[in-house]
Amino acid sequence: GQQVMQIPQYQHVQEGEDFTTYCNSSTTLSNIQWYKQRPGGHPVFLIQLVKSGEVKKQKRLTFQFGEAKKNSSLHITATQTTDVGTYFCAGQAGGTSYGKLTFGQGTILTVHP
Amino acid sequence: GAVVSQHPSWVICKSGTSVKIECRSLDFQATTMFWYRQFPKQSLMLMATSNEGSKATYEQGVEKDKFLINHASLTLSTLTVTSAHPEDSSFYICSAGAERNEQYFGPGTRLTVT
Repeated sequence: GQQVMQIPQYQHVQEGEDFTTYCNSSTTLSNIQWYKQRPGGHPVFLIQLVKSGEVKKQKRLTFQFGEAKKNSSLHITATQTTDVGTYFCAGQAGGTSYGKLTFGQGTILTVHP
Repeated sequence: GAVVSQHPSWVICKSGTSVKIECRSLDFQATTMFWYRQFPKQSLMLMATSNEGSKATYEQGVEKDKFLINHASLTLSTLTVTSAHPEDSSFYICSAGAERNEQYFGPGTRLTVT
């Protein structure tokens, strides 16, 4: 079945440093979504990428979808302590599995002030 | 908008008993809801896809007789953990499918089976 790999598992940064997490799917995706889960909380939808090569920005966050629609990345510029949490990518295939998300393992981000 | 509630937020039950968890979409209708399980510091594992008015679709390895899912209306899905055992202790999260394939997650239910 579909697998979504995400690296790194953990990332510790000093406040102000940049952060990137990478996601790779075993199969071509119809779209990829990114979620953030704060400690003790539930996943919160950040963004969805649909088009090959798509790049979207949300303030200090930049999301990319690869040309082959099998990989994606999330880059945070100048991290802040409020960025702490686990970032998950989740891939969605088309066809009969419409709607079903396969989550990556997540990257736990710690930001030291 | 797009608020999903889940009840209870935490529950402790004795081994052998059953527990029902409710998932409600408060301000939108969701024909599809999803049930996930999450162990500490791990990812979300999809258990089943719940479609209003039809039987749930379970992921491989998930016992449908143990995890009963009912999606009786466009705003409510329930997960019942039957004959719970300590290994069923986990964080159960539901999500409701919205437009453009986005999913909105409930706050989760922490189940502890003693």
